[in-house]
Amino acid sequence: DAGVIQSPRHEVTEMGQEVTLRCKPISGHNSLFWYRQTMMRGLELLIYFNNNVPIDDSGMPEDRFSAKMPNASFSTLKIQPSEPRDSAVYFCASSLLLGTNEKLFFGSGTQLSVL
Amino acid sequence: GDSVTQMEGPVTLSEEAFLTINCTYTATGYPSLFWYVQYPGEGLQLLLKATKADDKGSNKGFEATYRKETTSFHLEKGSVQVSDSAVYFCALSDQYSSASKIIFGSGTRLSIRP
Repeated sequence: DAGVIQSPRHEVTEMGQEVTLRCKPISGHNSLFWYRQTMMRGLELLIYFNNNVPIDDSGMPEDRFSAKMPNASFSTLKIQPSEPRDSAVYFCASSLLLGTNEKLFFGSGTQLSVL
Repeated sequence: GDSVTQMEGPVTLSEEAFLTINCTYTATGYPSLFWYVQYPGEGLQLLLKATKADDKGSNKGFEATYRKETTSFHLEKGSVQVSDSAVYFCALSDQYSSASKIIFGSGTRLSIRP
């Protein structure tokens, strides 16, 4: 199993540019989560999907952030326009809801630097 | 709402020392509890879990017991190794949610000296 695949691994961009982060969950998983990790705020849940439908986006910081999951094997997180304070590591994770056996599988993350 | 509080780091220990990382939680339901570990440059990995009161999760020499009376899930290891250096996250999941999410603590950085 290839695990959760995120791309790009690193992204450096200038303030005001659009940034798109991509995620391929593990095949067969029906839940997908986007997290942001910073030194100041730790690991924050931005949004999660169940069966491709957004369930809770209350963690999305601003309207500049948007996420889509057009099918079970692909999701994007877009920031437009980007700002320096968006610099962080963004993780995608997937899971197969099995009641109390739920376990998250994380990708390796995208290190975003907005200059 | 549900939340997780864990001890602040960094925690620095010598090899073979005893480790405790404290974690307490607040939840309205009956959560499952987890410890995840993040090695440098990688995503989080599940270390261990417990799904009901008095359950003990264990893996790689680490243990944690689900204590409902104290709402705690402290992580312990009897003899740490340099390879245990990582960031450790306590987390909970409300098992009664139809599409439950996992809530993480702020993480505790552990450094082990040779």
